[in-house]
Amino acid sequence: DTAVSQTPKYLVTQMGNDKSIKCEQNLGHDTMYWYKQDSKKFLKIMFSYNNKELIINETVPNRFSPKSPDKAHLNLHINSLELGDSAVYFCASSQKPRTSGLQETQYFGPGTRLLVL
Amino acid sequence: AQKVTQAQTEISVVEKEDVTLDCVYETRDTTYYLFWYKQPPSGELVFLIRRNSFDEQNEISGRYSWNFQKSTSSFNFTITASQVVDSAVYFCALGVLQGAQKLVFGQGTRLTINP
Repeated sequence: DTAVSQTPKYLVTQMGNDKSIKCEQNLGHDTMYWYKQDSKKFLKIMFSYNNKELIINETVPNRFSPKSPDKAHLNLHINSLELGDSAVYFCASSQKPRTSGLQETQYFGPGTRLLVL
Repeated sequence: AQKVTQAQTEISVVEKEDVTLDCVYETRDTTYYLFWYKQPPSGELVFLIRRNSFDEQNEISGRYSWNFQKSTSSFNFTITASQVVDSAVYFCALGVLQGAQKLVFGQGTRLTINP
């Protein structure tokens, strides 16, 4: 009964390769996110999707392309991987706020640790 | 600009001590939310609490308590009678509405509880 799941958990690859990370949530949430955690543990949002529509793109290089086939899934595809892409990538989901100004809690997946060699 | 500062990079205490993790935030919004998340050594991010800017009541949940003070833009987290299992990195985050909501995280505080 995992709430937010990600695959794979670990990903080791060579520079220049293309890879994908998958995320699924079974919480019935409308909104999903990708965050990146760097080697210093700093967490920063990358993308946010609401019901398959891109809402936030936080100046991420266009080598990163999120795809949301349905509101329960948000995948992250990365082209031409670089050494600096090594990080932990977290998927999260939340309800869409029902009223203006309200914010919902984001629930995170277990993370995908990406190492680019 | 929205910003969260957790000035304590690392804290180490002996089991059963009380410990407070500081969080200071900056925002121009009048309505905002604050969150705390725990990241244990296993790596996942665990939600602990959400607080909106209109609710300054302190909250207690077992050994955990939170002190929210708008006057000082702080949202501090106290663990009473700490246990080894509390060892983790703790993140304070500010909820920002920018088309959709996003979390702006502090740098995290690594808490080590020694037996």
